[in-house]
Amino acid sequence: DAKTTQPPSMDCAEGRAANLPCNHSTISGNEYVYWYRQIHSQGPQYIIHGLKNNETNEMASLIITEDRKSSTLILPHATLRDTAVYYCIVGYGQNFVFGPGTRLSVLP
Amino acid sequence: EAQVTQNPRYLITVTGKKLTVTCSQNMNHEYMSWYRQDPGLGLRQIYYSMNVEVTDKGDVPEGYKVSRKEKRNFPLILESPSPNQTSLYFCASSLLGDRGSYEQYFGPGTRLTVT
Repeated sequence: DAKTTQPPSMDCAEGRAANLPCNHSTISGNEYVYWYRQIHSQGPQYIIHGLKNNETNEMASLIITEDRKSSTLILPHATLRDTAVYYCIVGYGQNFVFGPGTRLSVLP
Repeated sequence: EAQVTQNPRYLITVTGKKLTVTCSQNMNHEYMSWYRQDPGLGLRQIYYSMNVEVTDKGDVPEGYKVSRKEKRNFPLILESPSPNQTSLYFCASSLLGDRGSYEQYFGPGTRLTVT
């Protein structure tokens, strides 16, 4: 079973920041938090991952709480092309379990 | 261009007719894996491979075989396909990142229908 809990769906206005939450209260000390997204039925796309510290790359920012029990993916300026299912995954090594994710709809 | 390729992209076959879905990556990644995606069940890992000649079962390996004779290729074999293997299949590859993290690159998917 997936070790994460995400809201099934969210809406965001185009141009605004999209903040996608994820709960992972049973995360172990060596497990990473990963975020992927899937647009329609295309292959999932890696976005970002982190262990303890907040991370930022050209796509998004990842904020992990100090107790590591939850995290937030931030898309700073959402566009229509960011409409997708976003998966939060917790794991170490090759153990990847995808949950149902959050369906993000970016609205014009 | 760095990529994971899968062939075929679409396949309709009949029960019991052996088939192979190929997966190839050009990024010199050690780790490769296969997933299937079904409505309401999400992505589930079938098999994975840590390197050449090293493979292991994922969460749903029954009815599937894999091999890893070369680093770049990781074919998925269905010896006797059944209708419950109708699904969307994804291959992925990854370097072993810093401190055990995996940044997986996924292929475009293979939609398989078994009648």
